[in-house]
Amino acid sequence: NAGVMQNPRHLVRRRGQEARLRCSPMKGHSHVYWYRQLPEEGLKFMVYLQKENIIDESGMPKERFSAEFPKEGPSILRIQQVVRGDSAAYFCASSPWGFGEQFFGPGTRLTVL
Amino acid sequence: GESVGLHLPTLSVQEGDNSIINCAYSNSASDYFIWYKQESGKGPQFIIDIRSNMDKRQGQRVTVLLNKTVKHLSLQIAATQPGDSAVYFCAEITGNNNAGNMLTFGGGTRLMVKP
Repeated sequence: NAGVMQNPRHLVRRRGQEARLRCSPMKGHSHVYWYRQLPEEGLKFMVYLQKENIIDESGMPKERFSAEFPKEGPSILRIQQVVRGDSAAYFCASSPWGFGEQFFGPGTRLTVL
Repeated sequence: GESVGLHLPTLSVQEGDNSIINCAYSNSASDYFIWYKQESGKGPQFIIDIRSNMDKRQGQRVTVLLNKTVKHLSLQIAATQPGDSAVYFCAEITGNNNAGNMLTFGGGTRLMVKP
């Protein structure tokens, strides 16, 4: 049973480009969470999605950031017109129900030049 | 001993000793807590959880203690091993029933095990 998969593991973008981060939850999990982590800090919640629905996006910047979890395929976190401050590790977690333990993927490390 | 530097607080222990990592949480309404271990370059890994109706829970070599009066969690690791070296985060559930359970993470403690 594969764990949470994220790709790419490392992503380099120049300022102004778009970044697309993908997350495939564990099999049977319909709840997905995205978190951002800066070096030497804890993870900060960004958005919570259930299949085809955004449940809570209170931690996601209003501009340039969007997330989706389509009926088929992985969840996507999209960052448009990236800036240097977007450089961070982005983690996806999934759970089979909307409470309790969340299982984390290995993360995508985004570097904006 | 425990120290607070410019970055993550670090706890250095001798291999075989017991480790105690502390965490203060913020929301008195939180009812579920998790300890995660994060190794360099990896995602957080679940260690142990506890609900607010309990004050102690034990796992294999780990024990979590919850003191709701002072909003304090601790993680005890028995017979610490080099493989325990990592950053440890406590996390609390702060979402409401309609929004689900987003995790709010504490600042983390780096555990270094000396052979």
